[in-house]
Amino acid sequence: AQSVTQLDSHVSVSEGTPVLLRCNYSSSYSPSLFWYVQHPNKGLQLLLKYTSAATLVKGINGFEAEFKKSETSFHLTKPSAHMSDAAEYFCVVREMDSSYKLIFGSGTRLLVRP
Amino acid sequence: ETGVTQTPRHLVMGMTNKKSLKCEQHLGHNAMYWYKQSAKKPLELMFVYSLEERVENNSVPSRFSPECPNSSHLFLHLHTLQPEDSALYLCASSPGDGFAIETEAFFGQGTRLTVV
Repeated sequence: AQSVTQLDSHVSVSEGTPVLLRCNYSSSYSPSLFWYVQHPNKGLQLLLKYTSAATLVKGINGFEAEFKKSETSFHLTKPSAHMSDAAEYFCVVREMDSSYKLIFGSGTRLLVRP
Repeated sequence: ETGVTQTPRHLVMGMTNKKSLKCEQHLGHNAMYWYKQSAKKPLELMFVYSLEERVENNSVPSRFSPECPNSSHLFLHLHTLQPEDSALYLCASSPGDGFAIETEAFFGQGTRLTVV
């Protein structure tokens, strides 16, 4: 069965410094992978998705993620954090077995210090 | 705005009440979902509708009853809930029938439910 592990429940960075949110997945097939962001009292917004095209995926708000099959990872990065990036981030996997299920990680809360 | 609208945004109900959550999308999507988001737990898929047919009931207690009258609307009827049912309930929709591997979900802002 597929699964997603977000390695850090909380990440704290200073404004202007790089962001790294880690995600590892377990999948029997070639998955599609997504990152979603959730701001306080808001729904989830899609940041980016990987669907077996380019392994480096660029998303909104300057975020990008790299699919590394050998490491079964899909880490989310941003060169320079902004205060508005403070939110919870979810790594999500969907398998190529015609499943309609999106499997969510437990989330990483990003804190941005001024 | 994602195009998925949920009402109400907040709901407080007693354990003997009956209430309904509403979700609406006019994105032309044919797949709609209910998720439950509790504190310190991953999102839990509750129900999936594809082309107005329920294709997943993820071991959800019968006190939660979904309804999908058409492809644009999804309801979650609630009755005799327990305090542990307090959570953020998120509705989502997906393009097509929701089964394609590359398909993402578009989420509403959620209904914050408190059962007292």
